[in-house]
Amino acid sequence: DSGVTQTPKHLITATGQRVTLRCSPRSGDLSVYWYQQSLDQGLQFLIQYYNGEERAKGNILERFSAQQFPDLHSELNLSSLELGDSALYFCASSEDSFSGNTIYFGEGSWLTVV
Amino acid sequence: AQKVTQAQTEISVVEKEDVTLDCVYETRDTTYYLFWYKQPPSGELVFLIRRNSFDEQNEISGRYSWNFQKSTSSFNFTITASQVVDSAVYFCALNTGFQKLVFGTGTRLLVSP
Repeated sequence: DSGVTQTPKHLITATGQRVTLRCSPRSGDLSVYWYQQSLDQGLQFLIQYYNGEERAKGNILERFSAQQFPDLHSELNLSSLELGDSALYFCASSEDSFSGNTIYFGEGSWLTVV
Repeated sequence: AQKVTQAQTEISVVEKEDVTLDCVYETRDTTYYLFWYKQPPSGELVFLIRRNSFDEQNEISGRYSWNFQKSTSSFNFTITASQVVDSAVYFCALNTGFQKLVFGTGTRLLVSP
């Protein structure tokens, strides 16, 4: 158990809909990351937050947004969903924003868009 | 740009065989960090090891060992006496100053009894 908690674990929704994925980082970790894992794209970095502020942005679509709240939990919002958004979405956390920190991953949220 | 290459897509072995998973990385940074993660069939990503660019000592943890060679930009992972529970996808990853992990495409390891 990495200590990173993600909900929901599984989600099936229709095209055009909007979903929110939730993440609680490990106790004491200030950085939260979101990754997408799909068959064709592999593991892709989406976005990072550090202590409530956006720190780095990767290949995140404009239809997607995220935030980190004062209690450090984070949410990833996916809107106008398309079939191609079906993927495993990981949240991860690390102690701070130092690149040498180990990044611990949650169990992921499986999103299926039908 | 940072890049990680895991040329082996899938490896099949029989239990008790030794197996080495290859990882080659590219970066222009002199300070960087390398990682291995395991993804079992259940899907979670499990951290295995972290190594910084200044520490080329090999590391052994039980049946697992890692060989880091800066001269060849490689960070290979060996499982000794493989077991069925080792069946998983293994990812090598690189982190430089950009605060994000860049992953390889993964190597699927199948260990049969």
